[in-house]
Amino acid sequence: KQEVTQIPAALSVPEGENLVLNCSFTDSAIYNLQWFRQDPGKGLTSLLLIQSSQREQTSGRLNASLDKSSGRSTLYIAASQPGDSATYLCAVGPLVGNTGKLIFGQGTTLQVKP
Amino acid sequence: DAGVIQSPRHEVTEMGQEVTLRCKPISGHNSLFWYRQTMMRGLELLIYFNNNVPIDDSGMPEDRFSAKMPNASFSTLKIQPSEPRDSAVYFCASSLWTVNEQYFGPGTRLTVT
Repeated sequence: KQEVTQIPAALSVPEGENLVLNCSFTDSAIYNLQWFRQDPGKGLTSLLLIQSSQREQTSGRLNASLDKSSGRSTLYIAASQPGDSATYLCAVGPLVGNTGKLIFGQGTTLQVKP
Repeated sequence: DAGVIQSPRHEVTEMGQEVTLRCKPISGHNSLFWYRQTMMRGLELLIYFNNNVPIDDSGMPEDRFSAKMPNASFSTLKIQPSEPRDSAVYFCASSLWTVNEQYFGPGTRLTVT
């Protein structure tokens, strides 16, 4: 059974710092991995999607990497801003079994202090 | 594109009442997902459809919950009868099956008193 873990559960950094959020998964047979952002009281916003054949994806100040063999993904945020404060969730799409669904981690809540 | 549309955005009802949540997926998407989010349990997948057919409903908590997708542009999640422990935010998401990049709606905040 695929399990997705995000550590730490919460993170507080000063504005301008570069930071890394971690996501680990137990089964390397994945179809893809997706990073989301959720603001308080809001829905989830898709940030980046990495297909299983890819190693990384970039969007603006965000860079997500994928290492299937070690069961890890990282989300790198450059030059953090207070507006980056939110909960970040990673989700894994399985390759076999119930394909088409995503298995979510519990999220990392980020606070960027001005 | 309007994105995934959910209604109502907020619902307050009394225990025992029927609740119906509605979702319109992104046009062209052929997969639709219903999730529930609470502080205690996080984000849980309740059921998902592909081409209007339910694929996996193992996350539906009880027989009080039912979901339908009569066509490609509309789905409902019904709770009958509702209970206070059903209070949560319910999200609908859609995707293209082959890509599996999910787009979420704004959610319906359900409060059962």
